Amino acid sequence: AQRVTQPEKLLSVFKGAPVELKCNYSYSGSPELFWYVQYSRQRLQLLLRHISRESIKGFTADLNKGETSFHLKKPFAQEEDSAMYYCALPNQAGTALIFGKGTTLSVSS
Amino acid sequence: GAVVSQHPSWVICKSGTSVKIECRSLDFQATTMFWYRQFPKQSLMLMATSNEGSKATYEQGVEKDKFLINHASLTLSTLTVTSAHPEDSSFYICSASPISYEQYFGPGTRLTVT
Repeated sequence: AQRVTQPEKLLSVFKGAPVELKCNYSYSGSPELFWYVQYSRQRLQLLLRHISRESIKGFTADLNKGETSFHLKKPFAQEEDSAMYYCALPNQAGTALIFGKGTTLSVSS
Repeated sequence: GAVVSQHPSWVICKSGTSVKIECRSLDFQATTMFWYRQFPKQSLMLMATSNEGSKATYEQGVEKDKFLINHASLTLSTLTVTSAHPEDSSFYICSASPISYEQYFGPGTRLTVT
């Protein structure tokens, strides 16, 4: 069954430090994976999707099929990156997204 | 572009009454809309998927008679919580999808049942 695991509930780093938000998945077939972000008091918004291979706000994520991972990385964290991050992939029917439990990133100076 | 609105943003109702929440895609047509529930500091739980003009598909464990979903047009879906009880108090979020997997989220509606 399709499943998304985000093992860390909270990740605290200092400004300028590298960040890696972990996401592991279980999926039969070729997955399409997404990262969504929710800033404080704002709506959920798409950060990036693996198929586009873009870098958004300095974040990148590489799909590793061998490790079934899609970790989100940024070399130098900024305070404005503090938010809740969700990894997601399609459900079995391909009609909706399944979200992980989310990781709160806290960047302090 | 790709803005989704929800109304109301916050509603308080008495136990036993029904509450309707609207979700609108403002600048695009959404073939599919989704309703999620989010508990404090927890992830989004998909409740149902609705396609315009057809019945919603509910996730396992979600009572379809309690959470009525209507997707009457390509820009509007409504969620009605019928005979609400305090345990229905939650944050309800909708999203709208113009094409496959691309979802735009509304700001959410906080429901408090007293």
